[in-house]
Amino acid sequence: QITLKESGPMLVKPTQTLTLTCTFSGFSLSTSGVAVGWVRQPPGKALEWLGHIYSNNDIYYSLSLKSRLSISKDTSKNQVLLTMTDLDPVDTATYYCARRPPSNNLWGYDFWGQGLLVTVSS
Amino acid sequence: DIQMTQSPSSLSASVGDRVTITCRASQSIGTSLNWYQQRPGKAPDLLIYEASILQSGVPSRFSGSGSGTDFTLAITSLQPEDFATYYCQQSYDYLTWTFGPGTKVEVK
Repeated sequence: QITLKESGPMLVKPTQTLTLTCTFSGFSLSTSGVAVGWVRQPPGKALEWLGHIYSNNDIYYSLSLKSRLSISKDTSKNQVLLTMTDLDPVDTATYYCARRPPSNNLWGYDFWGQGLLVTVSS
Repeated sequence: DIQMTQSPSSLSASVGDRVTITCRASQSIGTSLNWYQQRPGKAPDLLIYEASILQSGVPSRFSGSGSGTDFTLAITSLQPEDFATYYCQQSYDYLTWTFGPGTKVEVK
């Protein structure tokens, strides 16, 4: 059974740095081709891809947010971290982590966490 | 970045209707296109990948087609649980994935 769950602060002040943790089970991030990614969704708005990290440590980021994002993994703990700097109220969103499976032709996310609403406000 | 657009942005339909949603890429993406369904308050669910391959466990009333820049998601015989928002997502550009703006399917 594959599960992912996001954790971290639900309220952050403007200009602060946000660190979210995705803790997963049922698969290994050391399996070739597997990735764990981050997607966010402001209230009432569309999904926005943030980035992901592969089992081989390749990391890809949204071009528009690349300067503010950092993704890392702790394979032994089955965790992936997302760090976003210099937060602004427009970063208020539900943040999801999700898995890219070890597939030759499925370049998307087949399992998702429940999401974590992060509010940026003073 | 490859930009994705969807049409319509919303539609009203009844149970039993056939519904089609279009997704367009700003450049050719082959068949590197996925579709997701998102119900209110829930995480997205993968419906279709590689433009036309049904994800395991997804009902056969869902189908996808297209290649290049134009793609379609079709739902035959709409069911009550299908009222949701649908997103396309390109993975052709392996450096940066992008989602479409979504199409909300509402009850008529």
